[in-house]
Amino acid sequence: EVHLVESGGGLVQPGGSLRLSCSASGLTLNSYAIYWVRQAPGKGLEHVSAISGRGSDTNYADSVRDRFYISRDNSLNTVYLQMSSLRGEDTAVYYCVKGAGIDYYYYYMDVWGKGTTVTVSS
Amino acid sequence: EIVMTQSPATLSVSPGERATLSCRASQTVSSNLAWYQKKPGQAPRLLISGASTRATGIPARFSGSGSGTEFTLTISSLQSEDFAVYYCQQYNNWPHTFGGGTKVEIK
Repeated sequence: EVHLVESGGGLVQPGGSLRLSCSASGLTLNSYAIYWVRQAPGKGLEHVSAISGRGSDTNYADSVRDRFYISRDNSLNTVYLQMSSLRGEDTAVYYCVKGAGIDYYYYYMDVWGKGTTVTVSS
Repeated sequence: EIVMTQSPATLSVSPGERATLSCRASQTVSSNLAWYQKKPGQAPRLLISGASTRATGIPARFSGSGSGTEFTLTISSLQSEDFAVYYCQQYNNWPHTFGGGTKVEIK
């Protein structure tokens, strides 16, 4: 069975940084795209970032571009989201999600992690 | 980007009754439409992909239909564990956009 486990969330001051990690078990991650999706309190689901299975292609929501950076280490079966210049509006539960295929723009999402909470507050 | 609109925002249904949820796309997404179920404190779960294909382990009471711009998720006989928020998402065009969700609550 496939499992994704996020870690690295927490409380951070505005302007600060955090690195989220997504570790996978039950599959080889390099065959699949990975997405980060967030849900702010009382809000719906929002794409944050995506990375192709090979790591050669990435994408970011306009709201996080130039502040967040997605990467992967397929040898560790792990994907990262480096978040910097954090703002109050980045407060959310961040989910790591596996795509159904290697390219992020063609496939739906089929396995979700349980999420990690990021709170940006002074 | 494609805007996904779900209706109603809240649906009050009695256990055992049928629930019909709608999702509309601002432009055609062909059949590249997925439905997810989200319960408080839990990860979203894939229910349907390709507008009508149930994911592994999803009960037959969940069915999806539609193509182009109009889609429907039907839960034929609501069970207690089905009360949740349901999201549609198109994956025909990048960025893959979500609808705002329909909350199915106990009547």
